Amino acid sequence: QKEVEQDPGPLSVPEGAIVSLNCTYSNSAFQYFMWYRQYSRKGPELLMYTYSSGNKEDGRFTAQVDKSSKYISLFIRDSQPSDSATYLCAMSENNAGNMLTFGGGTRLMVKP
Amino acid sequence: NAGVMQNPRHLVRRRGQEARLRCSPMKGHSHVYWYRQLPEEGLKFMVYLQKENIIDESGMPKERFSAEFPKEGPSILRIQQVVRGDSAAYFCASSPRIGDSSYGYTFGSGTRLTVV
Repeated sequence: QKEVEQDPGPLSVPEGAIVSLNCTYSNSAFQYFMWYRQYSRKGPELLMYTYSSGNKEDGRFTAQVDKSSKYISLFIRDSQPSDSATYLCAMSENNAGNMLTFGGGTRLMVKP
Repeated sequence: NAGVMQNPRHLVRRRGQEARLRCSPMKGHSHVYWYRQLPEEGLKFMVYLQKENIIDESGMPKERFSAEFPKEGPSILRIQQVVRGDSAAYFCASSPRIGDSSYGYTFGSGTRLTVV
């Protein structure tokens, strides 16, 4: 079993839809949770960062962490074709230069 | 302010040759991380370096792979005697200081290594 599981997709939605992306994990020591967006042939760029459980909102993006269920989500409202990319969840045990453990990524396609 | 610079963007090597991948961190960043991304997989941690020090190399294969971050110049990931299984995208990330590492990562655009 992988330490971080993520449905690879592809997930295809019409423009304007609400998108829900999810990851589950097995390591209860993870405390820092991130979502990265990766366009084809590019490096990942940080979208959202949360610490411990709770919600965080930034524009059209909302990140949720449920540590009791070991489950994190990223919601994208009013999805746009420019949101078409691979979304990677990542997590770490601490904030002290430690490595990030990534999910395999979910490929999202938003159709106009 | 240039981001994390990686070169070359694409590298083709024959089996048995050496591959050298270079990474220049963002200005002011002193921590460098290397990750490998195999096709259809997420990124896997390889090594974490500060200037002249390897801090964590728990993700590095035991043989053929080495990394350095000298006092002057870019960080280098070196793969000796490459095999087809080394074909992947190699990403470098940097962060300014230890307290910002987890959420302060900035990734480069990667080097795509193809072994033929």
